[in-house]
Amino acid sequence: DGGITQSPKYLFRKEGQNVTLSCEQNLNHDAMYWYRQDPGQGLRLIYYSQIVNDFQKGDIAEGYSVSREKKESFPLTVTSAQKNPTAFYLCASFPSGGNTEAFFGQGTRLTVV
Amino acid sequence: GENVEQHPSTLSVQEGDSAVIKCTYSDSASNYFPWYKQELGKRPQLIIDIRSNVGEKKDQRIAVTLNKTAKHFSLHITETQPEDSAVYFCAANRRRALTFGSGTRLQVQP
Repeated sequence: DGGITQSPKYLFRKEGQNVTLSCEQNLNHDAMYWYRQDPGQGLRLIYYSQIVNDFQKGDIAEGYSVSREKKESFPLTVTSAQKNPTAFYLCASFPSGGNTEAFFGQGTRLTVV
Repeated sequence: GENVEQHPSTLSVQEGDSAVIKCTYSDSASNYFPWYKQELGKRPQLIIDIRSNVGEKKDQRIAVTLNKTAKHFSLHITETQPEDSAVYFCAANRRRALTFGSGTRLQVQP
């Protein structure tokens, strides 16, 4: 079953803790992206990666970190420096660049308790 | 950077009527403009896209128009059905990434 998989679906974090959201794809796509979705604000770009071992900051990268050690995987760490982390996080992959269809994972809903 | 504005934020229509959602963008280098549909609790899915060398594209009840001079593009849904109810996002590409509008919640009243 090909596609892009995010885990977990729901995640609860205590204030001051770092958490890592998983994103895995078996579509052989070069580009992977992380977006944050808040009510009424659409999808905002956190980080993206075009190739292994390389990634760029998006519009709201502060308080987040990523790695791209394998083509299939692009984990996102939400650090304690992110002041308002409660949101719905979506991972997406593209065959290449940003001018083709994006394939989204099912999302992770992160709640700070 | 790219700024994509989308209007209206909510839209309610009667079943069978048409719905129009409009977006504007700021980066003249953008050349790819997709539209995504997101049902409640689900992932966004591409419904139609258009490239800058095309002014209009149609797929059954859905059409998109692009005016590059004015930097705006629109989604048109005809003969709306209750299953069209969802949040719709426009997007434009910028530096190998997609920038999304803030979304339009479409409600089709039966």
